[in-house]
Amino acid sequence: DGGITQSPKYLFRKEGQNVTLSCEQNLNHDAMYWYRQDPGQGLRLIYYSQIVNDFQKGDIAEGYSVSREKKESFPLTVTSAQKNPTAFYLCASSIDLASGSYNEQFFGPGTRLTVL
Amino acid sequence: GQQVMQIPQYQHVQEGEDFTTYCNSSTTLSNIQWYKQRPGGHPVFLIQLVKSGEVKKQKRLTFQFGEAKKNSSLHITATQTTDVGTYFCAGLIQGAQKLVFGQGTRLTINP
Repeated sequence: DGGITQSPKYLFRKEGQNVTLSCEQNLNHDAMYWYRQDPGQGLRLIYYSQIVNDFQKGDIAEGYSVSREKKESFPLTVTSAQKNPTAFYLCASSIDLASGSYNEQFFGPGTRLTVL
Repeated sequence: GQQVMQIPQYQHVQEGEDFTTYCNSSTTLSNIQWYKQRPGGHPVFLIQLVKSGEVKKQKRLTFQFGEAKKNSSLHITATQTTDVGTYFCAGLIQGAQKLVFGQGTRLTINP
């Protein structure tokens, strides 16, 4: 069954701790993305990756870090430098970011992070 | 910065009434996508529009892309309770390689 998995669904952390959110896809997609969603707001792009071992900052990258060591995995670390980390985090993937065309994004179920 | 504005933020209708959400960009878009997020769920792709003035239909849903490729709309005819959720537009800014999402329109329906 193909898709994107994110774990865990709910995550609680103490202030000042780093936390890593998992994102795995078996769709053989080249591009992967991390978004943050706050109540009543749209999706804001944190980081994205077009290919293994390469990634770019999105609009709100400060306080976050990512890695892309494998095509199917794109973990996101929320560091203690992120001032307001409590949010719903969504991972997505698409076939590629080929110029001149753009493909639909497939989203994972999300991780709801609460920092106490 | 590059923005995609979506209105209204909330819309409550009686079941059977029509619903429309509008999306406007400050810059020309290469294409626009629409997503639906059910309460407690994740966004799911509905459609992509690419051509100026394009109109696409999916059963009771009609999607339009403006002639100038700066605005788009989603119209639902005769809403049903299954239409409840938040509808997002997402535009690909010309020259960029990332989608910019609108704030979404949350649709609630009175049965």
